[in-house]
Amino acid sequence: DSGVTQTPKHLITATGQRVTLRCSPRSGDLSVYWYQQSLDQGLQFLIQYYNGEERAKGNILERFSAQQFPDLHSELNLSSLELGDSALYFCASSVGGGTATDTQYFGPGTRLTVL
Amino acid sequence: AQSVTQLGSHVSVSEGALVLLRCNYSSSVPPYLFWYVQYPNQGLQLLLKYTTGATLVKGINGFEAEFKKSETSFHLTKPSAHMSDAAEYFCAVSVNSGNTPLVFGKGTRLSVIA
Repeated sequence: DSGVTQTPKHLITATGQRVTLRCSPRSGDLSVYWYQQSLDQGLQFLIQYYNGEERAKGNILERFSAQQFPDLHSELNLSSLELGDSALYFCASSVGGGTATDTQYFGPGTRLTVL
Repeated sequence: AQSVTQLGSHVSVSEGALVLLRCNYSSSVPPYLFWYVQYPNQGLQLLLKYTTGATLVKGINGFEAEFKKSETSFHLTKPSAHMSDAAEYFCAVSVNSGNTPLVFGKGTRLSVIA
């Protein structure tokens, strides 16, 4: 158990809908990262927040957005969902602001299925 | 930009045999290199990482990896495979230049045959 929690574990929804994925980092960690894992694209970095502020942005679509709240939990919002958004979404956390040597601890993931 | 290539999407070894998972990276500046393992229905777990210093890095569960700058490689090895090693393994690269995220390879699925 990494100490990172993600809810829900599974999510099934329809195209065009909007969903929210939630992540609670390990106690004491200030950074939260979001990743998307799919068969064709592999594991792709989406976005990082550090202590409530956006720190780095990766291949995140405009239909997706995220935020980190004062209690440091984070939410990833996915809207106007398409079939291709079906994937495993991971959250990770680290103590620091994302320097190269920071160890990232991964949650168990949320499996999103868009029908 | 950094990139990682993992040779072989699937590797199969016999129990007790040597495990060798290959990773080559591309980076214009000195890289930091990581190996993560993903067991079925779980998140990724850090096996080991190379930042600076000794090029042979020892990790958890008997795994180790050697950073070879001349070959731009960071292959993962374990002398004797165990059934519990069956999982997906990911190599990742980062650099100490601003705030750069991890870039992952496509992963290698390791099967261990009894």
